[in-house]
Amino acid sequence: NFMLTQPHSVSESPGKTVTISCTRSSGSIASNYVQWYQQRPGSSPTTVIYDYNQRPSGVPDRFSGSIDSSSNSASLTISGLKTEDEADYYCQSYDSSNLVFGGGTKLTVL
Amino acid sequence: EVQLVESGGGLVQPGGSLRLSCLASRFTFSSYTIHWVRQAPGKGLEYVSAISSDGGGTYYTDSVKGRFTISRDNSRNTLYLQMTSLRPEDTAVYYCVARGVWGQGTLVTVSS
Repeated sequence: NFMLTQPHSVSESPGKTVTISCTRSSGSIASNYVQWYQQRPGSSPTTVIYDYNQRPSGVPDRFSGSIDSSSNSASLTISGLKTEDEADYYCQSYDSSNLVFGGGTKLTVL
Repeated sequence: EVQLVESGGGLVQPGGSLRLSCLASRFTFSSYTIHWVRQAPGKGLEYVSAISSDGGGTYYTDSVKGRFTISRDNSRNTLYLQMTSLRPEDTAVYYCVARGVWGQGTLVTVSS
């Protein structure tokens, strides 16, 4: 079993770039795909990145994903921040067939 | 576009039971593993259970093992979660998830 650790909160100004990290506690981050979900208040989560760095159709290319084996972490980068990006973001990977979620990061765009 | 619609939530007393359903459309339901994920009020996402495409494999988080049963009816494109011996800590919005798509969720409240 492993855990995914995210910062509790991040904040940045409109137009800037922000990166949210997701660190895997044991085992390689490259062993299992990582997804990123956006959840706005009162709404269900939606996928913004799947399979480490793939964007579903309709997700703007301001959203990108990556992994770094040296820090055993995945990252979600949002460039050209907009106020509509303000939301909770969750990373997720797999432990066998089980889903493992990070604790979530609250992004404030101010 | 994939669509998932949950139902069956509600208020139940501790020790009670509920059955959640998730009706899927616009994708080949029988080809995919489907998951239940829950979110307690003001909290993060928690994996609950999953079932393989043919129903032959089921998986549960430790806190629900022996109390929850996941099943599916591929002829009806429907996923189920039978919940028994419910506890206050099971209070949450329950989502079904498939192919990266989430339903709107159904609220389960366990309280006397």
